[in-house]
Amino acid sequence: DGGITQSPKYLFRKEGQNVTLSCEQNLNHDAMYWYRQDPGQGLRLIYYSQIVNDFQKGDIAEGYSVSREKKESFPLTVTSAQKNPTAFYLCASSIGVGSYNEQFFGPGTRLTVL
Amino acid sequence: RKEVEQDPGPFNVPEGATVAFNCTYSNSASQSFFWYRQDCRKEPKLLMSVYSSGNEDGRFTAQLNRASQYISLLIRDSKLSDSATYLCVVSTGGSQGNLIFGKGTKLSVKP
Repeated sequence: DGGITQSPKYLFRKEGQNVTLSCEQNLNHDAMYWYRQDPGQGLRLIYYSQIVNDFQKGDIAEGYSVSREKKESFPLTVTSAQKNPTAFYLCASSIGVGSYNEQFFGPGTRLTVL
Repeated sequence: RKEVEQDPGPFNVPEGATVAFNCTYSNSASQSFFWYRQDCRKEPKLLMSVYSSGNEDGRFTAQLNRASQYISLLIRDSKLSDSATYLCVVSTGGSQGNLIFGKGTKLSVKP
């Protein structure tokens, strides 16, 4: 059963802590993405990766880091440098990067900073 | 002008009604367009891709007007299960291939 999984579903973090959000896909997609969604806002791109061992900053990369050591996995670390990390984080994948490649989303992780 | 604009709604319609949403985009170089559906506290799910002037899938019809830079989504014979937020999404192409998301239009279908 192909798809994208994200874990955990809910995550609580104390201020000053780094946390890592997991994203795994078994769709054999080359491209993967991380977005954040705030209430009443559109999704904003944090980072994306076109291929293993390569990734690029999106519109709001400050305070975040990623790695792409395996095709299936694209974890996101929310560092203590991120000023307002409470949000809904969505991972997506597509066959490749380009206008006509539809993106498919995982179920998301809700991060709350206490 | 915002990159992708949608009427936030809510659109409250009775079952069986026909409802239409419009979306405008600012970048004339935009190449592909999508409608996603997002249920409350869930991930967006692809509803339709719009590559040419438009396409139809059952009760759903999407149309693209490049000259006026807008996309529309028409839902016929609305069902209770159509209640969701509908996201208009635009891709401007290039090496990034990332998508620009509208804030969404909320639809509530009532019995």
